[in-house]
This record gives sequence, C-alpha cells and structure tokens, in this order.
Amino acid sequence: QKEVEQNSGPLSVPEGAIASLNCTYSDRVSQSFFWYRQYSGKSPELIMSIYSNGDKEDGRFTAQLNKASQYVSLLIRDSQPSDSATYLCAVNMGSYNTDKLIFGTGTRLQVFP
Amino acid sequence: GAVVSQHPSRVICKSGTSVKIECRSLDFQATTMFWYRQFPKQSLMLMATSNEGSKATYEQGVEKDKFLINHASLTLSTLTVTSAHPEDSSFYICSAREAGYEQYFGPGTRLTVT
Repeated sequence: QKEVEQNSGPLSVPEGAIASLNCTYSDRVSQSFFWYRQYSGKSPELIMSIYSNGDKEDGRFTAQLNKASQYVSLLIRDSQPSDSATYLCAVNMGSYNTDKLIFGTGTRLQVFP
Repeated sequence: GAVVSQHPSRVICKSGTSVKIECRSLDFQATTMFWYRQFPKQSLMLMATSNEGSKATYEQGVEKDKFLINHASLTLSTLTVTSAHPEDSSFYICSAREAGYEQYFGPGTRLTVT
C-alpha cells in the first residue's frame, strides 16, 4: 500500500464548478497535512495546510481532514482555467518521527471554459 | 514571506563535470532544508534532508558521494552533482522549513547533462 495515495486524473471540471480532490494516507498517527499546487514545469506552491479534523477555508479553497478515515481532501470553488495544474497531497508521517513529508503522485486538474 | 530562491534556474553541463546548485531562504531562517528531484510526469522524490551545521541525511538509493550537500548557514544550502552523467538530467528542487512542518519550495533548477 502506498503511503499517500491520490487519483492521478485528469479531473476535468467546467469553469465555475467545484473541483474535489482526494487523498488517503496510511499512517494513523500523521498530524500534518498539506496541499501543494504545481504548474507544468514549475515547482510546487503551498496552498493549504491542515492539522485538525474538520474543514479549513481560505478563499476559494477548503481543506477537509478526517483522521479516523485517514482522508484529506481539497475543494476548489468557482474553478477557473488558471486552477488547471497538478495538486499534490503531502503528509508528515508522525510515527516515523521525522521532518520529511511524504508526497502523493498528484492529481491533474483541468478546468475548461 | 517564506520565499526560497534557487540558483541557477537552468544549467547545461558536459558529462563528467560537476554542478553546484544553491538554495537560499530569503526572509526566514531555515532550520531544515530538503532536496528533491523530479523527472518528467513523475512526482517529487526526496533525495536528502539537511540541517544547518550537520551532515545531510540521504534517502535510500541516493549516493551521498555523488550528491554532495552542504548546509552552511540557516539561509543557505548547496547541492553539488559530481561527475554528472546524462541520467542525472532532471528538475532539482529545494525546500526550506522554518518551524512546524510547512515546507516552502524554491523555483527549481533544470539540469541537462550532455
């Protein structure tokens, strides 16, 4: 089982719709969760971090965390073509007692006009 | 805040030569810096973790004698690819962490070995 799993996509949504990106992780004691956006040919950009169960909203982005289900998601409201990118889920594996993040392989999002 | 720079952004070198890549945290002190490599259409692969003033911790399968990492200060880490070969051609990205677990990435360095 992969440590952090994401559907590779592409996920295609029309402009203005809600894009829902999902991520599951294997380590039950993980405490820190992150969503990064990566445009083609560029480096990742941190867009959200979440540490507690529930929802965290920042502008058009909402991160949702359910530790019991080992599931974290990212919702993008009013999707724009400029949101088209690969979204990487990253998890700090708490039981490894380490600084490093484990990244999923990313979900490619396509927002069409 | 949380700006990380990398230099150079692109480099082309001949096989057998060495290349140094710099990573700097511009507006914060980075207790830890990370070096990643990314091949086309693949995810990030962590190469090593470096803490200021101590030896880097390399991931399994990464040759420490080939990829030399020096974390000289709280704002600077360097990666030197020694005796580069065409298979080392890749996108090298550093990230820096101040406190907590949020990592901020530099813009990356595209290395091409001919």
